[in-house]
Amino acid sequence: EDQVTQSPEALRLQEGESSSLNCSYTVSGLRGLFWYRQDPGKGPEFLFTLYSAGEEKEKERLKATLTKKESFLHITAPKPEDSATYLCAVQAKKDYQLIWGAGTKLIIKP
Amino acid sequence: DAGVTQSPTHLIKTRGQHVTLRCSPISGHKSVSWYQQVLGQGPQFIFQYYEKEERGRGNFPDRFSARQFPNYSSELNVNALLLGDSALYLCASSPRTATNEKLFFGSGTQLSVL
Repeated sequence: EDQVTQSPEALRLQEGESSSLNCSYTVSGLRGLFWYRQDPGKGPEFLFTLYSAGEEKEKERLKATLTKKESFLHITAPKPEDSATYLCAVQAKKDYQLIWGAGTKLIIKP
Repeated sequence: DAGVTQSPTHLIKTRGQHVTLRCSPISGHKSVSWYQQVLGQGPQFIFQYYEKEERGRGNFPDRFSARQFPNYSSELNVNALLLGDSALYLCASSPRTATNEKLFFGSGTQLSVL
């Protein structure tokens, strides 16, 4: 069964304290892995798509990496405005539907 | 340009009632997907429509139905509401194709079933 597991469930950091979020997946043929950010009361906002192991994408303080079993979202010197829930989703080659993880709630304290 | 718009933003219903949720995609987007998000969980796929045809259906009972109109807006209907249907219902659109490579989400409709 295709599934996505994110860890930790919640992460509290001080402003400027770098860390990583993990997304482990099992899927029968990966088409793509997606990272989204969700603020309270809003829908998810697209961040990155990764397609193959070894691929990396960067945007401001965020960098996403991909291996054959997991993806990491690295946050460098985070700011309070980076506080949000970060969602990971995978897309299998058999269709185009997304399978989502439960997310990691990130809290950055000033 | 306007983003994905959903209405209503909040809704309170009682068990057994029927509900209709509405979604207007970004102009030019022909694919619309519906997701259910329970508090503390990730979105669960319900339906996808592309060019007014159903392109995918998630593991939801037949009480859930949807349709897409010629202007690409969409409705999600839920009959015989249960307490467990309480959730945030999200609509997402994607540009031109049904590949879901980049989804644009609305802010959702928060449905409470009492």
